[in-house]
Amino acid sequence: QKEVEQNSGPLSVPEGAIASLNCTYSDRVSQSFFWYRQYSGKSPELIMSIYSNGDKEDGRFTAQLNKASQYVSLLIRDSQPSDSATYLCAVTPGGRTGANNLFFGTGTRLTVIP
Amino acid sequence: DAGVIQSPRHEVTEMGQEVTLRCKPISGHDYLFWYRQTMMRGLELLIYFNNNVPIDDSGMPEDRFSAKMPNASFSTLKIQPSEPRDSAVYFCASSLAGRIISGNTIYFGEGSWLTVV
Repeated sequence: QKEVEQNSGPLSVPEGAIASLNCTYSDRVSQSFFWYRQYSGKSPELIMSIYSNGDKEDGRFTAQLNKASQYVSLLIRDSQPSDSATYLCAVTPGGRTGANNLFFGTGTRLTVIP
Repeated sequence: DAGVIQSPRHEVTEMGQEVTLRCKPISGHDYLFWYRQTMMRGLELLIYFNNNVPIDDSGMPEDRFSAKMPNASFSTLKIQPSEPRDSAVYFCASSLAGRIISGNTIYFGEGSWLTVV
């Protein structure tokens, strides 16, 4: 079983709509959760981090975490064509002292249609 | 501020040849990571170093892969001999001391696009 699972998409939404990206993880003691955005041919860049249950908002982005369900999501409000990219969910392994590592999902490709 | 610098950006090589990928981490960062990205498997951690010492190389696929970090500002990933299935984007990344849980993130280089024919 993969550590981090994402629907590969592609997910298409019209401009101005809400895009919803989902991720599940297998390690119950994972503690830190991240969303990276990767444009085609580019490297991943961090857009959101979340550590505790609930919602965290940053501009048009909202990360949601439910540790009981081992589920993390990213909502993008007022989607713009410039949001078209692959979104990678990343999770730290739990229970390892000094761990400084991330497990990544395979990513969900988002296309925002003008 | 210079980011993580990787070279070469693109390499096409023949099966059986040796490939060396190079990385210069962000100055002051003491963790360095090598990732491989493919469509099928996504972004996989190959190996990471802390203070130039390899900490976890369990992701290195085979003995054909080796990585070194002779000093704080330079690392190499070597594939010898290369095979077509090694074709992928290889990312180097670095981060500052401390666990990612504390809020530090890792910063990626632009990647080395390797094609083995």
